[in-house]
Amino acid sequence: DGGITQSPKYLFRKEGQNVTLSCEQNLNHDAMYWYRQDPGQGLRLIYYSQIVNDFQKGDIAEGYSVSREKKESFPLTVTSAQKNPTAFYLCASSMLGLGMGQPQHFGDGTRLSIL
Amino acid sequence: QQPVQSPQAVILREGEDAVINCSSSKALYSVHWYRQKHGEAPIFLMILLKGGEQKGHDKISASFNEKKQQSSLYLTASQLSYSGTYFCGTRGNQFYFGTGTSLTVIP
Repeated sequence: DGGITQSPKYLFRKEGQNVTLSCEQNLNHDAMYWYRQDPGQGLRLIYYSQIVNDFQKGDIAEGYSVSREKKESFPLTVTSAQKNPTAFYLCASSMLGLGMGQPQHFGDGTRLSIL
Repeated sequence: QQPVQSPQAVILREGEDAVINCSSSKALYSVHWYRQKHGEAPIFLMILLKGGEQKGHDKISASFNEKKQQSSLYLTASQLSYSGTYFCGTRGNQFYFGTGTSLTVIP
């Protein structure tokens, strides 16, 4: 079955530590996205990528980094510069990019907490 | 540029109807609707691509008024399974999800 796999489901970060969240899709989608969701809040865009080796910042990119070396993979690194990383992180993909009116398909999310 | 949704929360009895509104201060080029259950990933419901478009499946439908920069989601004869948080989403210079509407259906 095609879909998006995020791992791990739960992640704990120590102060000063970088952590990487994995996102893999086998839907052959061109575009991939990372969102952050805080309790009781909506989704805010961190980064998105419409093609391999290219990505753009969303509204809350500070303290995060991404790479898109393969079409199927879009890992997110939460760096030590992100002072409030505790949140639910969702990865999504769509067949085409932002302007093309395609639905986004989501992974099951990674819940990140500070130790 | 985040769309604003109203109401913020609504409680319904099974079989009642609800309307969720999504408004933007910027031009809306397309509107997505998603439902998210607690602790789960959002699930795509529908996309409206142009003004005047209306779509629906089962008892959930939506409309898009491009001139008013608004979209509405209609849930008729609500079922317990409709409970969750509903988000609209729209494209600006990136993609923006709305503020969310929590919908609870009780027996």
